[in-house]
Amino acid sequence: DAGVIQSPRHEVTEMGQEVTLRCKPISGHNSLFWYRQTMMRGLELLIYFNNNVPIDDSGMPEDRFSAKMPNASFSTLKIQPSEPRDSAVYFCASSTGRNQPQHFGDGTRLSIL
Amino acid sequence: QKEVEQDPGPLSVPEGAIVSLNCTYSNSAFQYFMWYRQYSRKGPELLMYTYSSGNKEDGRFTAQVDKSSKYISLFIRDSQPSDSATYLCASRGRDDKIIFGKGTRLHILP
Repeated sequence: DAGVIQSPRHEVTEMGQEVTLRCKPISGHNSLFWYRQTMMRGLELLIYFNNNVPIDDSGMPEDRFSAKMPNASFSTLKIQPSEPRDSAVYFCASSTGRNQPQHFGDGTRLSIL
Repeated sequence: QKEVEQDPGPLSVPEGAIVSLNCTYSNSAFQYFMWYRQYSRKGPELLMYTYSSGNKEDGRFTAQVDKSSKYISLFIRDSQPSDSATYLCASRGRDDKIIFGKGTRLHILP
């Protein structure tokens, strides 16, 4: 079975550029989560979708960050404009419900120069 | 104070030894406790999931929760080089939000 698929695996871009990260959740999972992982802060929840609707975006750090889920099989996390402090590994996870085990993708390693 | 804390390590132990990984949490409302394993350049994968106090065993892995002291442990018996990874503890409260520790890096020496 295919797991959670994220693209790109690596992204290097210059400060000020727009960055779009993509996620395909596991088929049949109706909950989707975006996380950010850094050495300093660990793994932090950015936003949670249930049935394609954003339920909790309290972890989104700034208005520069936005996330969408146009359908059950695709989600994007966008940063515009990007800043060096946004450099981190961004993970997408999906599950069959918010309190069910989450399955993570392999992440996008983002470097903002 | 971060809600879930763990020693970052690295922790190095010889192959075959028993490994003890520990975590503390501050929020008494936490009811569910998890351990995730994360290999380098991979996403976390769920190892153990427990509710409230007590022990849960799965093969070589045992998870232990002591709610009175807000202490979470993961024991690995007969450790293998393939167990070398970062181990994240996590807790979930009534709001269903999962709070992760920063992880402990474990090295099993062959």
